[in-house]
Amino acid sequence: DGGITQSPKYLFRKEGQNVTLSCEQNLNHDAMYWYRQDPGQGLRLIYYSQIVNDFQKGDIAEGYSVSREKKESFPLTVTSAQKNPTAFYLCASTPKAKVVGTGGAYSNTEAFFGQGTRLTVV
Amino acid sequence: GIQVEQSPPDLILQEGANSTLRCNFSDSVNNLQWFHQNPWGQLINLFYIPSGTKQNGRLSATTVATERYSLLYISSSQTTDSGVYFCAVLANAGGTSYGKLTFGQGTILTVHP
Repeated sequence: DGGITQSPKYLFRKEGQNVTLSCEQNLNHDAMYWYRQDPGQGLRLIYYSQIVNDFQKGDIAEGYSVSREKKESFPLTVTSAQKNPTAFYLCASTPKAKVVGTGGAYSNTEAFFGQGTRLTVV
Repeated sequence: GIQVEQSPPDLILQEGANSTLRCNFSDSVNNLQWFHQNPWGQLINLFYIPSGTKQNGRLSATTVATERYSLLYISSSQTTDSGVYFCAVLANAGGTSYGKLTFGQGTILTVHP
């Protein structure tokens, strides 16, 4: 089945450890995103990537790192520099499509999300 | 960057009631979506609706892009409709919008039997 797979579902991290969250998609989507959600809050963008080997910081990138070596994969590393990493992490991907009436411009279209990873610092 | 505001923040209904959720955004958009977050945290796609009106069963959505708002209608609400509803937009940056998908803060809907 096509979709977005995040692993693990639950992750426990000790103080001072780096941990890596996996996000894989087999939808052939171009863009991928990582969001963080704290209890009772909305989604805040950590990093996003439009193409392989390129990514941009979102609103709360400090203490996180990413890579995009393959179109299908966008792993997120939560480093020891992230002081409050306990949260729910969601990965998304979107395809691109031509924007009608713009003479060839493209835009990301409908986003789809994985099931998330709950990270807890112990 | 683009601002997205959802209202109301909280909504409590009796089963069978109708409701309207609103999403205002501060700039022109290429993409607008409505999501329902279930109790397990998963985001369920409801509508991809940059403009116009769509319906899916008891749910419908309308986006008036020129006036920068979107509405989500829920009719004959059921307890299973409870959860958080998010609106998310992708700003239109001069026709080629390789940008951030920005979320509103959500509307928490509680439907009582």
